[in-house]
Amino acid sequence: EAQVTQNPRYLITVTGKKLTVTCSQNMNHEYMSWYRQDPGLGLRQIYYSMNVEVTDKGDVPEGYKVSRKEKRNFPLILESPSPNQTSLYFCASSLVIAGVVDTQYFGPGTRLTVL
Amino acid sequence: GDSVTQMEGPVTLSEEAFLTINCTYTATGYPSLFWYVQYPGEGLQLLLKATKADDKGSNKGFEATYRKETTSFHLEKGSVQVSDSAVYFCALKNSWGKFQFGAGTQVVVTP
Repeated sequence: EAQVTQNPRYLITVTGKKLTVTCSQNMNHEYMSWYRQDPGLGLRQIYYSMNVEVTDKGDVPEGYKVSRKEKRNFPLILESPSPNQTSLYFCASSLVIAGVVDTQYFGPGTRLTVL
Repeated sequence: GDSVTQMEGPVTLSEEAFLTINCTYTATGYPSLFWYVQYPGEGLQLLLKATKADDKGSNKGFEATYRKETTSFHLEKGSVQVSDSAVYFCALKNSWGKFQFGAGTQVVVTP
């Protein structure tokens, strides 16, 4: 089954304790992206990657890191989480056709709480 | 920059009522337009899309028409069911492939 998976689905942590949220897709998509969803703000893009070893900042990259060492995986790293990073996080992937990102497919989400 | 504005919710309807969720956008060039749906506890699922002016996207009884003259992509369904209760997101993809999402509209359908 074609899908985007994220782990963990739920995480409660404390300020400053490094964490990683994994994202994996089995559709051989070139493009992957991370979003955060906050009430009244919709989805805001954190980072994206057009292909292996190619990453770029989205609209709200501060406090986050990503890496793209393999095509299927795109982990999101919070080196020193803070309470304002409490949010619902979504990973998405897409084909790139003629250099343009196609329709995005989303993972189930990771609800993160930073105390 | 690009932006998407959609009506605030929650929108509360009775079963079999007509649903409209307004969405307008600002973008340079010729964006593609999307509606995504998020059911409770799940990720976003593509509901429908339109890639050029006057295109109509449709799926599961929902429709939306790409109106370039009014920069709108309103979502409609003629007869909603309780199972349509969800949050609906309007989104655009600009010519360079960057997505912009609206804030989402919660729809509650009561029996």
